[in-house]
Amino acid sequence: GENVEQHPSTLSVQEGDSAVIKCTYSDSASNYFPWYKQELGKRPQLIIDIRSNVGEKKDQRIAVTLNKTAKHFSLHITETQPEDSAVYFCAVPNNFNKFYFGSGTKLNVKP
Amino acid sequence: GAGVSQTPSNKVTEKGKYVELRCDPISGHTALYWYRQSLGQGPEFLIYFQGTGAADDSGLPNDRFFAVRPEGSVSTLKIQRTERGDSAVYLCASSLLRQQNTEAFFGQGTRLTVV
Repeated sequence: GENVEQHPSTLSVQEGDSAVIKCTYSDSASNYFPWYKQELGKRPQLIIDIRSNVGEKKDQRIAVTLNKTAKHFSLHITETQPEDSAVYFCAVPNNFNKFYFGSGTKLNVKP
Repeated sequence: GAGVSQTPSNKVTEKGKYVELRCDPISGHTALYWYRQSLGQGPEFLIYFQGTGAADDSGLPNDRFFAVRPEGSVSTLKIQRTERGDSAVYLCASSLLRQQNTEAFFGQGTRLTVV
């Protein structure tokens, strides 16, 4: 199966700073890469995704970059706000949309 | 419904008991997935259904775990002879299709505590 590694496991930033979380994967056939945000006690929610035909995608303060050659993709959050504090998971689905999740990054944005 | 619905939201059971966890996917979604999330970990795959059939149950940890989806919509995850190690949040997700590139929508989860 897919091997997904996510770093860092915890990340603490000052409000207004940027945060970057990175995931690596093993299956070069993968072509869809979502990021999920999970607040305490809540369901994982998709915040951004990217398909392999593009190298970067932005949605306001959130962006994802993909390097297919190196088999890694990263989540970038700019101008962080306290409400960005949560656990973020990357995921890599197989051909049947079975998700392999990273171990999660706990982001703490200090006001 | 508007989203994936899971019941109960919390379940406390005694070791050795049988439990059933229910998932009601988004209407029209043919693919349904069960994941288990332990504290501080990412969700781990258990089983997925395409329609009524279990297309991949390779993530079920042992034969105490079983899941059904008899009419291709609602699914029930069944755990026999529960153990303390089964304590976790059980998440259900559905997607319109089972192909890659299809967004998966998650339910709120059922927090199972075995005492």
